[in-house]
Amino acid sequence: NAGVTQTPKFQVLKTGQSMTLQCAQDMNHEYMSWYRQDPGMGLRLIHYSVGAGITDQGEVPNGYNVSRSTTEDFPLRLLSAAPSQTSVYFCASSRFGVGDNEQFFGPGTRLTVL
Amino acid sequence: RKEVEQDPGPFNVPEGATVAFNCTYSNSASQSFFWYRQDCRKEPKLLMSVYSSGNEDGRFTAQLNRASQYISLLIRDSKLSDSATYLCVVLSASGGSYIPTFGRGTSLIVHP
Repeated sequence: NAGVTQTPKFQVLKTGQSMTLQCAQDMNHEYMSWYRQDPGMGLRLIHYSVGAGITDQGEVPNGYNVSRSTTEDFPLRLLSAAPSQTSVYFCASSRFGVGDNEQFFGPGTRLTVL
Repeated sequence: RKEVEQDPGPFNVPEGATVAFNCTYSNSASQSFFWYRQDCRKEPKLLMSVYSSGNEDGRFTAQLNRASQYISLLIRDSKLSDSATYLCVVLSASGGSYIPTFGRGTSLIVHP
């Protein structure tokens, strides 16, 4: 099993550009989440999904969209990138609940917005 | 005030030392508690869950104090490989789901 995969690993954007961060898991987990991690801030929940077709907002959802058309995939879209979105983005999946029991994280995407 | 607070450290200890971290949380209705480990520029990985009765996994002991609203992690006989950031995670009800809140992490450096 590959676990949780994320692409790309690194990305540089200009202000105003849009892009999609990809996340996929092969563990058949219902629950998936997106976090951002900034220096000194810890991980903050952006959006999460409790199953295909069901998504909800986390702590810092503004500027991001998500969709969950399949159990495996949970892409994160930046609509119009801003320098404040420079961060490391982690996708995670879990079996029993959003954050409940063990969360499995992808390797992260390091995004810089100029 | 952040819901989950940790001392960022760094805690700088020699090999073989015992070190303890605390994590306080503000939501008294929090449901579940975890410690994750994160190596530099890597993803977080679950270290251990924290049970009400306390639990131990080798050199690591986790405890929960609901009355004072904190959890702790004790590492005995520290190894160089224990150097990492330790993240406290608290699960609390939000709408119809339980949502995790991460602390900012405590940095541990174990030196020879």
